[in-house]
Amino acid sequence: DAKTTQPTSMDCAEGRAANLPCNHSTISGNEYVYWYRQIHSQGPQYIIHGLKNNETNEMASLIITEDRKSSTLILPHATLRDTAVYYCIVRVANAGGTSYGKLTFGQGTILTVHP
Amino acid sequence: DGGITQSPKYLFRKEGQNVTLSCEQNLNHDAMYWYRQDPGQGLRLIYYSQIVNDFQKGDIAEGYSVSREKKESFPLTVTSAQKNPTAFYLCASSGGQGLSGNTIYFGEGSWLTVV
Repeated sequence: DAKTTQPTSMDCAEGRAANLPCNHSTISGNEYVYWYRQIHSQGPQYIIHGLKNNETNEMASLIITEDRKSSTLILPHATLRDTAVYYCIVRVANAGGTSYGKLTFGQGTILTVHP
Repeated sequence: DGGITQSPKYLFRKEGQNVTLSCEQNLNHDAMYWYRQDPGQGLRLIYYSQIVNDFQKGDIAEGYSVSREKKESFPLTVTSAQKNPTAFYLCASSGGQGLSGNTIYFGEGSWLTVV
């Protein structure tokens, strides 16, 4: 499984964009990049995922570099409720070619949004 | 609504006792997972199952057992052989076929405390 590297912590002012980087330099061609966040004592919440194209949804944008070795999660207008641990995960596709695969979590980035 | 239900939310166990954590999903997902999270730590994979009647050990399977008799259910038993079972346990599921990168959903977690 490809491993990911994220900064341990980041700060962001409320209302500003939060840009969370993730390095996955050993990612394989059929592996996807997923982002989740976890608020204390709750289950991780899915944010967004992508393969090689940039993606956007109502929560965030995902920018993946052309070589796919790194990505950035962007929260366009951070609020205090976005304070959480953010996990970047690379997902393995199994040998049968389906999209199942175990998840390998790193330590994540603690994002603190301050007033 | 579709989702993953874990029960109980909080559980206390005496040393030497086995305990079973329930995980049910109505998302029609084939794959299910169990993770353990210790305070201030990331998630570690205990067991995962890609299909009914089949499951694989994760990174920290010792002292745990699982079964997958039904597609919607993936119970985890924490046995007395688990030396340090006090932790937050998370169940997850994913589904679909093809290299489309299916979303992985998590339950709200179960807190297990050994007293």
